[in-house]
Amino acid sequence: EVQLVESGGGVVQPGGSLRLSCAASRFTFSTYWMHWVRQAPGKGLVWVSRINSDGTTTNYADSVKGRFTISRDNVKNTLYLQMSSLRAEDTAVYYCARVSMLAVPGAFDYWGQGTLVTVSS
Amino acid sequence: QPVLTQPASASASLGASVTLTCTLSSGYSIYEVDWYQQKPGKGPRFVMRVGTTGIVGSKGEGVPDRFSVLGSGLNRYLTIKNIQEEDESDYHCGADHGSGSNFVWVFGGGTKLTVL
Repeated sequence: EVQLVESGGGVVQPGGSLRLSCAASRFTFSTYWMHWVRQAPGKGLVWVSRINSDGTTTNYADSVKGRFTISRDNVKNTLYLQMSSLRAEDTAVYYCARVSMLAVPGAFDYWGQGTLVTVSS
Repeated sequence: QPVLTQPASASASLGASVTLTCTLSSGYSIYEVDWYQQKPGKGPRFVMRVGTTGIVGSKGEGVPDRFSVLGSGLNRYLTIKNIQEEDESDYHCGADHGSGSNFVWVFGGGTKLTVL
């Protein structure tokens, strides 16, 4: 079965940086668009960013534009989210999600288990 | 971009039925919406997509037949029949908007379903 495993979360001070990773396996990673979605404690889901299959097209939520960078390594089958100038409001569990190509194009058909980022002094 | 509104909570007795609602903001009545189920401490799971005429495409992997959807006006509904304990979860609706550099994905605030 498809596997997405996030890592890299932790506690960081305001203004600091962190890089999240999402290791993909059991599917042809290089052919899928991927997204990052976050969820603050006790809150709903919030879309963060997306990247196309070859990494040439990216989009960001206004709240992270200019501070976060999404990228991918299709040789290592890994998705990344480089986060900088972190703020308290970036505190959340960050999920990576795969975009369906067949059954329901555009839907997030597989999600990881998430990694927690806490921005606090 | 659309705003998706969901009630914060819902409840239903074991074996009963419940309908969860996701309401699109005015002007977005043709939009399709995805439903996701999320259990505590887990990543979300795709349930199905709903448009104005009902389900779009197929259900997510392993989603029981007890789950169905309906679309009407600005509302997108997820109905669960014969509710089981394992259906107790948070349910999120979401939709994409725009294309190219204007692309965004929006989610509702989520509904916490309690099975009594």
